[in-house]
Amino acid sequence: SYELTQPPSVSVSPGQTASITCSGDKLGDKYACWYQQKPGQSPVLVIYQDSKRPSGIPERFSGSNSGNTATLTISGTQAMDEADYYCQAWDSFHVVFGGGTKLTVL
Amino acid sequence: QVQLVQSGAEVKKPGASVKVSCKASGYTFTSYDINWVRQATGQGLEWMGWMNPNSGNTGYAQKFQGRVTMTRNTSISTAYMELSSLRSEDTAVYYCARGRDGDYDDYWGQGTLVTVSS
Repeated sequence: SYELTQPPSVSVSPGQTASITCSGDKLGDKYACWYQQKPGQSPVLVIYQDSKRPSGIPERFSGSNSGNTATLTISGTQAMDEADYYCQAWDSFHVVFGGGTKLTVL
Repeated sequence: QVQLVQSGAEVKKPGASVKVSCKASGYTFTSYDINWVRQATGQGLEWMGWMNPNSGNTGYAQKFQGRVTMTRNTSISTAYMELSSLRSEDTAVYYCARGRDGDYDDYWGQGTLVTVSS
Protein backbone atom coordinates (compact mmCIF):
# COMPACT_ATOMS: atom_id res chain seq x y z
CA SER A 1 0.00 0.00 0.00
CA TYR A 2 1.04 3.58 -0.59
CA GLU A 3 2.88 5.38 2.18
CA LEU A 4 3.68 9.00 2.96
CA THR A 5 6.60 9.75 5.26
CA GLN A 6 7.00 12.91 7.34
CA PRO A 7 9.63 13.84 9.92
CA PRO A 8 8.14 13.44 13.41
CA SER A 9 9.23 16.89 14.49
CA VAL A 10 10.57 20.18 13.17
CA SER A 11 11.72 23.14 15.23
CA VAL A 12 11.94 26.74 14.10
CA SER A 13 12.65 30.11 15.69
CA PRO A 14 9.99 32.81 15.48
CA GLY A 15 10.28 34.79 12.27
CA GLN A 16 12.30 32.09 10.51
CA THR A 17 11.22 29.74 7.74
CA ALA A 18 9.96 26.25 8.54
CA SER A 19 9.92 23.49 5.95
CA ILE A 20 8.07 20.22 6.46
CA THR A 21 8.56 17.44 3.94
CA CYS A 22 6.33 14.59 2.87
CA SER A 23 7.82 11.75 0.85
CA GLY A 24 6.13 9.11 -1.23
CA ASP A 25 6.77 7.15 -4.41
CA LYS A 26 6.15 9.46 -7.38
CA LEU A 27 4.22 11.80 -5.11
CA GLY A 28 4.78 14.58 -7.65
CA ASP A 29 2.43 12.75 -10.00
CA LYS A 30 -0.40 13.18 -7.51
CA TYR A 31 -1.94 16.17 -5.77
CA ALA A 32 -0.80 16.73 -2.20
CA CYS A 33 -2.53 18.75 0.46
CA TRP A 34 -1.68 19.78 4.00
CA TYR A 35 -3.67 20.09 7.21
CA GLN A 36 -2.83 21.94 10.40
CA GLN A 37 -4.14 20.56 13.66
CA LYS A 38 -3.86 22.24 17.04
CA PRO A 39 -4.48 20.36 20.29
CA GLY A 40 -8.12 19.53 20.84
CA GLN A 41 -9.19 20.94 17.47
CA SER A 42 -10.24 19.50 14.12
CA PRO A 43 -7.76 19.61 11.24
CA VAL A 44 -7.73 22.73 9.08
CA LEU A 45 -6.79 22.69 5.39
CA VAL A 46 -3.84 25.01 4.77
CA ILE A 47 -2.66 23.92 1.30
CA TYR A 48 -4.48 21.97 -1.42
CA GLN A 49 -3.57 20.79 -4.91
CA ASP A 50 0.13 21.10 -4.03
CA SER A 51 0.35 24.87 -3.69
CA LYS A 52 -3.06 26.54 -3.41
CA ARG A 53 -4.13 28.34 -0.27
CA PRO A 54 -7.74 28.25 0.90
CA SER A 55 -9.42 31.51 1.68
CA GLY A 56 -8.37 32.78 5.10
CA ILE A 57 -5.02 31.00 5.21
CA PRO A 58 -2.13 33.46 5.61
CA GLU A 59 0.22 34.03 2.70
CA ARG A 60 3.14 32.79 4.78
CA PHE A 61 1.92 29.25 4.08
CA SER A 62 3.06 27.83 0.75
CA GLY A 63 3.49 24.42 -0.81
CA SER A 64 5.29 22.59 -3.58
CA ASN A 65 5.34 19.05 -4.92
CA SER A 66 7.85 17.47 -7.27
CA GLY A 67 9.48 14.10 -7.75
CA ASN A 68 8.95 12.10 -4.59
CA THR A 69 8.57 15.01 -2.16
CA ALA A 70 5.93 17.55 -1.24
CA THR A 71 6.98 20.44 0.97
CA LEU A 72 5.02 22.77 3.20
CA THR A 73 6.84 26.03 3.83
CA ILE A 74 5.92 28.55 6.50
CA SER A 75 7.70 31.86 6.06
CA GLY A 76 8.05 34.21 9.00
CA THR A 77 6.78 31.52 11.36
CA GLN A 78 4.69 32.76 14.26
CA ALA A 79 4.00 31.24 17.63
CA MET A 80 0.43 30.55 16.53
CA ASP A 81 1.76 28.22 13.83
CA GLU A 82 2.88 25.69 16.43
CA ALA A 83 0.79 22.62 15.64
CA ASP A 84 0.79 19.18 14.06
CA TYR A 85 0.88 19.14 10.28
CA TYR A 86 -0.31 16.27 8.10
CA CYS A 87 0.19 15.74 4.39
CA GLN A 88 -2.37 13.81 2.39
CA ALA A 89 -2.69 12.35 -1.09
CA TRP A 90 -5.00 10.00 -2.94
CA ASP A 91 -3.76 6.70 -4.32
CA SER A 92 -5.92 4.12 -6.08
CA PHE A 93 -9.13 5.74 -4.80
CA HIS A 94 -7.84 5.68 -1.23
CA VAL A 95 -6.78 8.58 0.95
CA VAL A 96 -3.33 8.32 2.48
CA PHE A 97 -2.10 10.51 5.33
CA GLY A 98 1.44 11.08 6.38
CA GLY A 99 2.26 10.29 9.98
CA GLY A 100 2.28 13.95 10.96
CA THR A 101 4.95 16.46 11.95
CA LYS A 102 4.93 18.39 15.20
CA LEU A 103 6.11 21.93 14.51
CA THR A 104 7.64 23.62 17.53
CA VAL A 105 8.24 27.35 17.48
CA LEU A 106 10.90 28.27 20.01
CA GLN B 1 -21.53 29.12 6.01
CA VAL B 2 -20.56 25.50 5.57
CA GLN B 3 -20.92 23.44 8.73
CA LEU B 4 -20.63 19.78 9.58
CA VAL B 5 -22.10 19.02 12.99
CA GLN B 6 -21.49 15.58 14.44
CA SER B 7 -23.32 13.62 17.08
CA GLY B 8 -22.14 13.45 20.65
CA ALA B 9 -19.66 11.25 22.43
CA GLU B 10 -20.39 7.55 22.79
CA VAL B 11 -19.26 4.84 25.18
CA LYS B 12 -19.58 1.30 23.90
CA LYS B 13 -18.69 -2.17 25.10
CA PRO B 14 -16.40 -4.44 23.09
CA GLY B 15 -18.30 -6.24 20.37
CA ALA B 16 -20.97 -3.56 20.08
CA SER B 17 -21.59 -1.17 17.18
CA VAL B 18 -21.57 2.61 17.03
CA LYS B 19 -23.26 4.94 14.55
CA VAL B 20 -21.95 8.49 14.23
CA SER B 21 -23.92 11.15 12.38
CA CYS B 22 -22.70 14.19 10.49
CA LYS B 23 -25.26 16.87 9.61
CA ALA B 24 -24.28 19.19 6.78
CA SER B 25 -25.53 22.73 6.29
CA GLY B 26 -24.62 25.78 4.24
CA TYR B 27 -24.20 23.90 0.95
CA THR B 28 -25.91 21.32 -1.26
CA PHE B 29 -25.32 18.07 0.58
CA THR B 30 -25.46 15.89 -2.51
CA SER B 31 -22.81 17.87 -4.38
CA TYR B 32 -19.76 16.83 -2.35
CA ASP B 33 -18.36 13.58 -1.03
CA ILE B 34 -18.08 12.90 2.70
CA ASN B 35 -14.91 11.36 4.06
CA TRP B 36 -14.55 9.76 7.48
CA VAL B 37 -11.26 9.97 9.36
CA ARG B 38 -10.38 8.85 12.85
CA GLN B 39 -7.66 9.75 15.32
CA ALA B 40 -6.67 7.80 18.40
CA THR B 41 -5.36 9.83 21.32
CA GLY B 42 -1.87 11.09 20.56
CA GLN B 43 -1.85 9.43 17.17
CA GLY B 44 -2.14 10.55 13.56
CA LEU B 45 -5.06 10.79 11.17
CA GLU B 46 -6.42 7.55 9.74
CA TRP B 47 -8.74 7.53 6.73
CA MET B 48 -11.70 5.16 6.96
CA GLY B 49 -13.57 5.72 3.73
CA TRP B 50 -15.68 7.98 1.57
CA MET B 51 -19.28 8.25 0.48
CA ASN B 52 -20.94 10.05 -2.39
CA PRO B 53 -24.17 11.43 -0.89
CA ASN B 54 -25.80 11.72 -4.32
CA SER B 55 -25.36 8.13 -5.46
CA GLY B 56 -24.70 6.47 -2.13
CA ASN B 57 -21.54 4.94 -3.56
CA THR B 58 -18.87 4.20 -1.00
CA GLY B 59 -15.22 3.26 -0.80
CA TYR B 60 -13.67 1.86 2.35
CA ALA B 61 -10.11 1.51 3.55
CA GLN B 62 -9.08 -2.12 3.44
CA LYS B 63 -8.50 -2.12 7.19
CA PHE B 64 -12.20 -1.46 7.83
CA GLN B 65 -13.77 -3.54 5.07
CA GLY B 66 -16.53 -5.66 6.52
CA ARG B 67 -16.81 -3.59 9.71
CA VAL B 68 -17.74 -0.14 8.47
CA THR B 69 -20.86 1.06 6.70
CA MET B 70 -21.36 4.61 5.42
CA THR B 71 -24.87 5.77 4.59
CA ARG B 72 -26.83 8.97 4.23
CA ASN B 73 -30.25 10.52 4.50
CA THR B 74 -30.46 13.21 1.86
CA SER B 75 -33.79 14.55 3.17
CA ILE B 76 -32.00 15.79 6.30
CA SER B 77 -28.52 16.31 4.78
CA THR B 78 -26.95 13.84 7.15
CA ALA B 79 -24.22 11.26 6.66
CA TYR B 80 -23.67 8.29 8.95
CA MET B 81 -20.74 6.06 9.74
CA GLU B 82 -21.39 2.79 11.52
CA LEU B 83 -18.55 0.69 12.88
CA SER B 84 -19.28 -2.79 14.19
CA SER B 85 -17.47 -5.41 16.30
CA LEU B 86 -15.85 -2.67 18.32
CA ARG B 87 -12.64 -3.32 20.20
CA SER B 88 -10.58 -1.18 22.53
CA GLU B 89 -8.32 -0.13 19.65
CA ASP B 90 -11.30 1.62 18.05
CA THR B 91 -11.31 4.21 20.84
CA ALA B 92 -10.71 7.44 18.95
CA VAL B 93 -12.15 10.72 17.78
CA TYR B 94 -14.08 10.22 14.55
CA TYR B 95 -14.32 13.07 12.05
CA CYS B 96 -16.43 13.64 8.98
CA ALA B 97 -15.10 15.99 6.32
CA ARG B 98 -16.35 17.42 3.04
CA GLY B 99 -14.37 16.11 0.11
CA ARG B 100 -13.41 18.33 -2.82
CA ASP B 101 -12.34 17.31 -6.30
CA GLY B 102 -11.37 13.88 -5.03
CA ASP B 103 -8.28 15.56 -3.63
CA TYR B 104 -8.76 17.22 -0.27
CA ASP B 105 -11.19 17.95 2.54
CA ASP B 106 -12.08 21.59 2.97
CA TYR B 107 -14.44 21.46 5.97
CA TRP B 108 -14.33 19.15 8.96
CA GLY B 109 -16.80 18.28 11.66
CA GLN B 110 -15.98 18.91 15.30
CA GLY B 111 -15.23 15.24 15.93
CA THR B 112 -17.02 12.55 17.95
CA LEU B 113 -15.20 10.70 20.71
CA VAL B 114 -16.00 7.00 20.73
CA THR B 115 -14.74 5.11 23.77
CA VAL B 116 -14.75 1.33 23.75
CA SER B 117 -14.45 -0.09 27.22
CA SER B 118 -15.81 -2.99 29.21
